[in-house]
Amino acid sequence: DAMVIQNPRYQVTQFGKPVTLSCSQTLNHNVMYWYQQKSSQAPKLLFHYYDKDFNNEADTPDNFQSRRPNTSFCFLDIRSPGLGDAAMYLCATSPGRWVDYTFGSGTRLTVV
Amino acid sequence: AQSVTQLDSQVPVFEEAPVELRCNYSSSVSVYLFWYVQYPNQGLQLLLKYLSGSTLVESINGFEAEFNKSQTSFHLRKPSVHISDTAEYFCAVSEVTGGGNKLTFGTGTQLKVEL
Repeated sequence: DAMVIQNPRYQVTQFGKPVTLSCSQTLNHNVMYWYQQKSSQAPKLLFHYYDKDFNNEADTPDNFQSRRPNTSFCFLDIRSPGLGDAAMYLCATSPGRWVDYTFGSGTRLTVV
Repeated sequence: AQSVTQLDSQVPVFEEAPVELRCNYSSSVSVYLFWYVQYPNQGLQLLLKYLSGSTLVESINGFEAEFNKSQTSFHLRKPSVHISDTAEYFCAVSEVTGGGNKLTFGTGTQLKVEL
């Protein structure tokens, strides 16, 4: 039973064309995270939501935004994708601080 | 700021041989340490974690890691590896941020098990 679901698994978008990645969870966790993992690199936190409170990392580019309309869903919007934004995007959840994450399977984004 | 160093980018090993994947961390506060495994084109799966208590932690598939505060290390070991252990392994340290916790990952170690 998948608990953190990311759609689509693979996404191809054109340079400069807005794209949205989605994440849903059945765990009722109040924290949802988005990580970016470029090829052969460590995952890097972009931002997270604690309930409806948005927390942006200081070095996350303005080109990346997020929405969380309800507990179950969280979206990652890339307003104008560049070639450097090609990466695996990982969604994760946790019920709060100091507890385990549950990761989704990721969305691999290709920019052409 | 916390950081994690995984010195070995790749570790080749023969099946049934022992393996150690090294992880060192730096932190100014109490740490919570994790090992995650990632198979190709998959998300991250928690392998094991150290939060407190016994410094030796074990996973269900034979891996273990030992928290060593004096050496700021959290090395991952397995006495006998299997082909199916071939994957990327990430060490991570957790810190509180906002209402959640932020994982800072090392750059990963690719474990390749050969026959």
